[in-house]
Amino acid sequence: NAGVTQTPKFQVLKTGQSMTLQCAQDMNHEYMSWYRQDPGMGLRLIHYSVGAGITDQGEVPNGYNVSRSTTEDFPLRLLSAAPSQTSVYFCASSLRGTGSGNTIYFGEGSWLTVV
Amino acid sequence: AQSVTQPDIHITVSEGASLELRCNYSYGATPYLFWYVQSPGQGLQLLLKYFSGDTLVQGIKGFEAEFKRSQSSFNLRKPSVHWSDAAEYFCAVGAGGNEKLTFGTGTRLTIIP
Repeated sequence: NAGVTQTPKFQVLKTGQSMTLQCAQDMNHEYMSWYRQDPGMGLRLIHYSVGAGITDQGEVPNGYNVSRSTTEDFPLRLLSAAPSQTSVYFCASSLRGTGSGNTIYFGEGSWLTVV
Repeated sequence: AQSVTQPDIHITVSEGASLELRCNYSYGATPYLFWYVQSPGQGLQLLLKYFSGDTLVQGIKGFEAEFKRSQSSFNLRKPSVHWSDAAEYFCAVGAGGNEKLTFGTGTRLTIIP
């Protein structure tokens, strides 16, 4: 059981480049989300999805796009990378939302540096 | 909207000593509360969670937490820490339905011999 898998683990981008962070889960979870982690700020929600075809914005969505064409995958796209997007990105999934008593499982993170 | 405060940025504890990490939350209704641990370069692992019922919650690795509604707190405790407990600890609160987790800023735990 692979759980939540993120790729790549490390990436360096130049300002203005675009890229996609991949996230896949094999637990048939409905709920998937992306967080970014910055020093002294904890984790902040970027976007989330409650099922295939349904996405919504979190706390810090600007500069990021998501889509959810399948239950398993939830890619995060950086449209035009900026140094402010240098961060560690975590993908997470759960069977349903937190209100249903479900545990949220996190991937191992993707370290992104924008120069 | 919910919020979480972890007032201690960094705590240093001797191996074998007891530990308490503080967490205060703000939420209008009954919250769903979580503690996660993150080792360097790793993702987050759930230690324990509170949804309802007994306010003293047991978790993995010998950790426990107590929900105190009157103090809006959910402090994490361990009676005797091990060097392997050195990590960053995050408290989080979730609202009902499919809403997001709101995290605190984390407490970094250092263990000294």
